[in-house]
Amino acid sequence: DIVMTQTPLSLSVTPGQPASISCKSSQSLLWGDGKTYMYWYLQKPGQSPELLIYEVSSRFSGVPDRFSGSGSGTDFTLKISRVEAEDAGVYYCMQGIQLPSTFGPGTTVDIK
Amino acid sequence: QITMKESGPTLVKPTQTLTLTCTFSGFSLSTSGMGVGWIRQPPGKALEWLALIYWNDDKGYRPSLTSRLTITKDTSKNQVVLTMTNMDPVDTATYYCARRAPVVGQRLDYWGPGTVVTVSS
Repeated sequence: DIVMTQTPLSLSVTPGQPASISCKSSQSLLWGDGKTYMYWYLQKPGQSPELLIYEVSSRFSGVPDRFSGSGSGTDFTLKISRVEAEDAGVYYCMQGIQLPSTFGPGTTVDIK
Repeated sequence: QITMKESGPTLVKPTQTLTLTCTFSGFSLSTSGMGVGWIRQPPGKALEWLALIYWNDDKGYRPSLTSRLTITKDTSKNQVVLTMTNMDPVDTATYYCARRAPVVGQRLDYWGPGTVVTVSS
């Protein structure tokens, strides 16, 4: 299985400040079609996960543009340009190049 | 509008078989490329992918659980069923179903609210 790791595992951010989460995969997530199948999800407290970013950098429908994804190969980053209170929760990266899909351990973002 | 909803028992005894149903709307599982997957989350822990069924009835399972899992679909009812045999307390978790978008890759774009399953005698 592809192993996904995330750093940091927890983050406390002041509203209006930026935040960044790193995700690394144990092997490249670049597929033969030239796309990279890496996703970011946010699980708000008491809710199910919701898709934020697909294929490294594409925002899913309705996701605010303060969220952005970048990276390639095995190293990826999720950035929030200006954190808002509603951004609190656990962020997971997930690889979709090979079954079983695997998730990172999650990064808990707390709003100060 | 796409919706997903899980249903099933909240409590099962050790060694029993768990049967969960995912009922969805807003898309058809007969559409080429479509899929529905199951993911679980033990209390306070990370997400764990379990199984996936595709529009053409191809299936994928978590290797460590292959012998215990079966996923099936009923396209006419818009339902996907997951069965897990020989339940153990470590299987206590919230179980989610999610749509696998009809694109290359494994984009899980719509999730149900989850159903909590406790394994205890």
